[in-house]
Amino acid sequence: GAVVSQHPSWVICKSGTSVKIECRSLDFQATTMFWYRQFPKQSLMLMATSNEGSKATYEQGVEKDKFLINHASLTLSTLTVTSAHPEDSSFYICSAHLDGGILSIEQFFGPGTRLTVL
Amino acid sequence: GQNIDQPTEMTATEGAIVQINCTYQTSGFNGLFWYQQHAGEAPTFLSYNVLDGLEEKGRFSSFLSRSKGYSYLLLKELQMKDSASYLCASMDSNYQLIWGAGTKLIIKP
Repeated sequence: GAVVSQHPSWVICKSGTSVKIECRSLDFQATTMFWYRQFPKQSLMLMATSNEGSKATYEQGVEKDKFLINHASLTLSTLTVTSAHPEDSSFYICSAHLDGGILSIEQFFGPGTRLTVL
Repeated sequence: GQNIDQPTEMTATEGAIVQINCTYQTSGFNGLFWYQQHAGEAPTFLSYNVLDGLEEKGRFSSFLSRSKGYSYLLLKELQMKDSASYLCASMDSNYQLIWGAGTKLIIKP
């Protein structure tokens, strides 16, 4: 159990276009999801905390108007990179908490989305 | 400030034992996680410690000392498939994970 999926797995786009990444909890409900970004040979960097039914909480230095997060249901959060530029090329990973339960402290990760902006 | 330190890279031999250390400083503490991450893939959960002591799970064990702000991951009977990055993460008082940069473990035959 506790499977998180992401779509797409990888995407290549032209500079200036917008890209939407979906994160789904397949077999559990997740009130809270997290979006991370990871550059090569670097650690995971938390971008924002996505809360179902309310606005996302962004980390310092992350532009909320550029990285739009929508958590419309208990199983789906989306991250839209607007007007993407080459410097946005990165590995984007989402994770989710189980709602309640003894394992609710653990985060379950999606497989990640590799974004390349040309 | 919040900080997680772990070695950048380690090398070990197949069949041997390796210990990856992690020191942490976070605002509050709700446990210490170890994750394994293969190149190009998302992290996978290995262990969680919130109390002092050693947690053993098959070939992998994890140790925590809260007073020292220290943890280690012990990998026994190393296999080639254990070649990966190992990420140490501390959960702070807001239940957010603070991540180390990861330790790249290279296994040689």
